[in-house]
Order: sequence, then C-alpha cells, then structure tokens
Amino acid sequence: QKEVEQNSGPLSVPEGAIASLNCTYSDRGSQSFFWYRQYSGKSPELIMFIYSNGDKEDGRFTAQLNKASQYVSLLIRDSQPSDSATYLCASGSGGGADGLTFGKGTHLIIQP
Amino acid sequence: EAGVAQSPRYKIIEKRQSVAFWCNPISGHATLYWYQQILGQGPKLLIQFQNNGVVDDSQLPKDRFSAERLKGVDSTLKIQPAKLEDSAVYLCASSFGVSEAFFGQGTRLTVV
Repeated sequence: QKEVEQNSGPLSVPEGAIASLNCTYSDRGSQSFFWYRQYSGKSPELIMFIYSNGDKEDGRFTAQLNKASQYVSLLIRDSQPSDSATYLCASGSGGGADGLTFGKGTHLIIQP
Repeated sequence: EAGVAQSPRYKIIEKRQSVAFWCNPISGHATLYWYQQILGQGPKLLIQFQNNGVVDDSQLPKDRFSAERLKGVDSTLKIQPAKLEDSAVYLCASSFGVSEAFFGQGTRLTVV
C-alpha cells in the first residue's frame, strides 16, 4: 500500500518568513514527486515537481528530495498571505502521466 | 487554452440513487484521471485512462462505481447505488504524455 504522510497542521508562519512543508513516502519505487496547492473549495494546482535527489528552485519555491530517507519538502521564501492554502504532497511511479498518491495535505496559514 | 471541464458542479442525491459525472479533458491530452477527494483528505485515484483504455482501476469500487471514456475524449463516472460515504468532491484531471496533470473544478457530491 503506497502511502504519503504529511502533518495536517495548521502551520502558522509570519508574513515574510520561510514556510517549510514536509512529507514522507512509503514506496521506494516512487520516482516522481509533486507539490500541489489547493485553496478552499478549489481544485489542486501544481506548484513544483522533482525527480532527482537534491534541491530544485522556482522563484520563491524550493523543493527538496532525499530518496534515501524517503523525504520530500517544500520551502516557501518571503511568505505572503496569498500563500495561505492546503499544500498536497504526491508521489508517482514514473513520469507525470502516472496516477499520483496524495498525502492528506498541510494547511498553511500566513499571518500578516 | 480551455481547461478541464466538469459537470455538474454540485449534486445532492439520496442514498441508493444513481448519479453520473461528466468530464471533458484538455484537447489533445491522452491521459485522463478520476480522483475522489473526501473532506480533509488528499485526492485518491479511482481510475486512469490512456486514450480509451483503462491503465489503473485498482482503487475503483467496482461493485458500485463505473467509468468509461468514449472515443478517448470525454469521460463519465457513474455511481450506482450511492452510499453516504460516497459524499466527496470528484475531480477529473488530464495530462499529455509525461507533463503535469491539470485538474478540473470538480463535482461536489452530497449523499443524504
């Protein structure tokens, strides 16, 4: 049974600070990892994906992957109130065309 | 570019009734997914199509759920008979090859 674990939160971070979101996954065969943002009542939207160990940066967002520890993280720099949402971590077995296994999500609150 | 279209947006039915959801993916996207998202949970993959063939339906409760994708484009997901625990948002997503999956706005189903 493939599982992705996340702390449900809420995680409260002051505006302008770094928000750190984490997840772990159970399936060592997972090759691709995704972070989705979901606003209340809306559908998930992709923020970043990462396939290789190490860091991947895109603007204010940095995804980190450690396959040995089966650990994925997302850092959000200079957090803004508009970043307040639920962040879903997901794993896949290969390329992006595979069905994903999602965690329950972490509710992030950016305090003005 | 038009996004993934789903209808209806909301549906309320009594238990033991049947219901159907419709999805029109982004033009040219060969892969189509149906996910179920229960309140407070991450999306759970129900079924994945590649063109009009089923790639993965291992988590689809086949005694009551069915899905089809005619001509490799539109798809319908049906529940018959519905149970109270089927109350959830049903998300359709599509992707092209190994690109990211784009989600529709979802259908919120309430079973009373």
